[in-house]
Amino acid sequence: AQTVTQSQPEMSVQEAETVTLSCTYDTSESDYYLFWYKQPPSRQMILVIRQEAYKQQNATENRFSVNFQKAAKSFSLKISDSQLGDAAMYFCAYRDSGGGADGLTFGKGTHLIIQP
Amino acid sequence: EAGVAQSPRYKIIEKRQSVAFWCNPISGHATLYWYQQILGQGPKLLIQFQNNGVVDDSQLPKDRFSAERLKGVDSTLKIQPAKLEDSAVYLCASSLGRAGGAEQYFGPGTRLTVT
Repeated sequence: AQTVTQSQPEMSVQEAETVTLSCTYDTSESDYYLFWYKQPPSRQMILVIRQEAYKQQNATENRFSVNFQKAAKSFSLKISDSQLGDAAMYFCAYRDSGGGADGLTFGKGTHLIIQP
Repeated sequence: EAGVAQSPRYKIIEKRQSVAFWCNPISGHATLYWYQQILGQGPKLLIQFQNNGVVDDSQLPKDRFSAERLKGVDSTLKIQPAKLEDSAVYLCASSLGRAGGAEQYFGPGTRLTVT
């Protein structure tokens, strides 16, 4: 079974600075998807960014980028120019790409605090 | 477009009582998921439907949990009887299908407290 590990229960960053959230995963598959989701206090899970394992290029979405190291099974999220609205729980998630069941496997999350 | 709708938003029941949650996915989304999120943890998949058929229910505690998706649209998740450890947020998500990297869209969740 696949597992996702987020080793940072909480991170704090000053507004406008850069922060990196860590994620490692374990799988025997060669093709899969990785995601970062944001969950504010409202509980609504919002997709931040996703990465296809077969793509070597790291995904980027505005101020959010990832560092995907397939051999190391590492998938970190970098948030540049942090804003107060970025404060939330961040979850790393994995999903197989093959047919059949494709539910997400989530890590335990990292609570991101933005200091004004 | 309208998002995934869930009701109720909050529910408090006593242990051994029954409870049901409802989910209306985004129109046209064939795949529907129910996740359980216990406080301090990430969501855990309970069941996945493709149209009105079950794709994966390997983590559903079938002695007390049941789910159905009639007509391949709305879905209900039921717990009978509830235990204290069922206190959690129950999230519903939907996607266009299993092909490729179809994004899963989440609803606001139902927070269940079992006393």
